[in-house]
Amino acid sequence: EAGVAQSPRYKIIEKRQSVAFWCNPISGHATLYWYQQILGQGPKLLIQFQNNGVVDDSQLPKDRFSAERLKGVDSTLKIQPAKLEDSAVYLCASSPQGNTEAFFGQGTRLTVV
Amino acid sequence: AQSVTQPDIHITVSEGASLELRCNYSYGATPYLFWYVQSPGQGLQLLLKYFSGDTLVQGIKGFEAEFKRSQSSFNLRKPSVHWSDAAEYFCAVGLTGGGNKLTFGTGTQLKVEL
Repeated sequence: EAGVAQSPRYKIIEKRQSVAFWCNPISGHATLYWYQQILGQGPKLLIQFQNNGVVDDSQLPKDRFSAERLKGVDSTLKIQPAKLEDSAVYLCASSPQGNTEAFFGQGTRLTVV
Repeated sequence: AQSVTQPDIHITVSEGASLELRCNYSYGATPYLFWYVQSPGQGLQLLLKYFSGDTLVQGIKGFEAEFKRSQSSFNLRKPSVHWSDAAEYFCAVGLTGGGNKLTFGTGTQLKVEL
């Protein structure tokens, strides 16, 4: 079974630029999550989708972050404009409907300079 | 709101020695509990999980964890550590009753001395 795919693996941008990350969840998984992991910290949930609807985006900085999940499959997370404090690993995860166990991708490491 | 505390930021053990990583949670009901491992540059891999039932849970790679409701703890153990176990370990709590989102602790970095 293929795992959660994320791209790119690494990205370096200057502050105030924009950036987008892509995630392809495990086939058939209804729930998709985006987590932000700052160095030295545990992952923090940014947004949770159930199929193509948003379940929880309470911790998403909506003035600069946006996310969408088209057709309930792939998802993109965008930051515009980026700030230095956005430097982190962005992890995508998915889980089957009704199941709390999440399967994680390898993440995208973002460096904002 | 639920929270997870991992009091040990770094732990060093000798190869072959036993290991215990501590995890305490705060949540109003019985939570779903997880331990994940993260190797450098990698995503999170699930080691084991507790939903209900037997409070001693067996996981992959020889790890086990015990849920102690009275202590609000879910400590991870391994009787004999291998050098390849060096990684960062995260305890997480999931909400019961929907949502399925996880709250993670800050992690424990494990170093294994040969």
